[in-house]
Amino acid sequence: EDQVTQSPEALRLQEGESSSLNCSYTVSGLRGLFWYRQDPGKGPEFLFTLYSAGEEKEKERLKATLTKKESFLHITAPKPEDSATYLCAVQPRGSQGNLIFGKGTKLSVKP
Amino acid sequence: DSGVTQTPKHLITATGQRVTLRCSPRSGDLSVYWYQQSLDQGLQFLIQYYNGEERAKGNILERFSAQQFPDLHSELNLSSLELGDSALYFCASSPSGQANYGYTFGSGTRLTVV
Repeated sequence: EDQVTQSPEALRLQEGESSSLNCSYTVSGLRGLFWYRQDPGKGPEFLFTLYSAGEEKEKERLKATLTKKESFLHITAPKPEDSATYLCAVQPRGSQGNLIFGKGTKLSVKP
Repeated sequence: DSGVTQTPKHLITATGQRVTLRCSPRSGDLSVYWYQQSLDQGLQFLIQYYNGEERAKGNILERFSAQQFPDLHSELNLSSLELGDSALYFCASSPSGQANYGYTFGSGTRLTVV
């Protein structure tokens, strides 16, 4: 069964304290792995798509990496405005466009 | 504003009732996806439409149905509502039938069944 597991469930950081979020996946062939950010009361906002092991993508303080079994979202020198829930999702090969989401990591960054 | 419009934002209704949630996709997007988000289950895929045709189906209950109209807006119909149907319902859209460059999500409809 295709599955996505994110850890930790919640993470509290001090401003400037770098860390990583993990996304482990089991899928019957990977078409793509996606990272989203979700703020309270809002819809998820697209961040990155990764397609193959070894691929990396960056956006401001965020960097996403992909291996054959997991993905990491590295947050460098976070700021309070980075506080949000970060969602990981996979699109299995052969699927149309539907994604399988993890339950997310709730990140809090304190000033 | 993401460009995907969902109405209403909030809905409170009684068990056994029927409701309709509406979604207007981002201009130019042909695919619409419906997801349910609850605290314990996370985001769960319900159904996808592409240019008016059903493209993929997830774990959507038989009490739920959807359609996409010629102007590409979509409606999700939920009937015989139960307390457990209380959740956030999100609509997302993409230009093609694939998620290659990510979806654009709307801000959701919060459904409360009492």
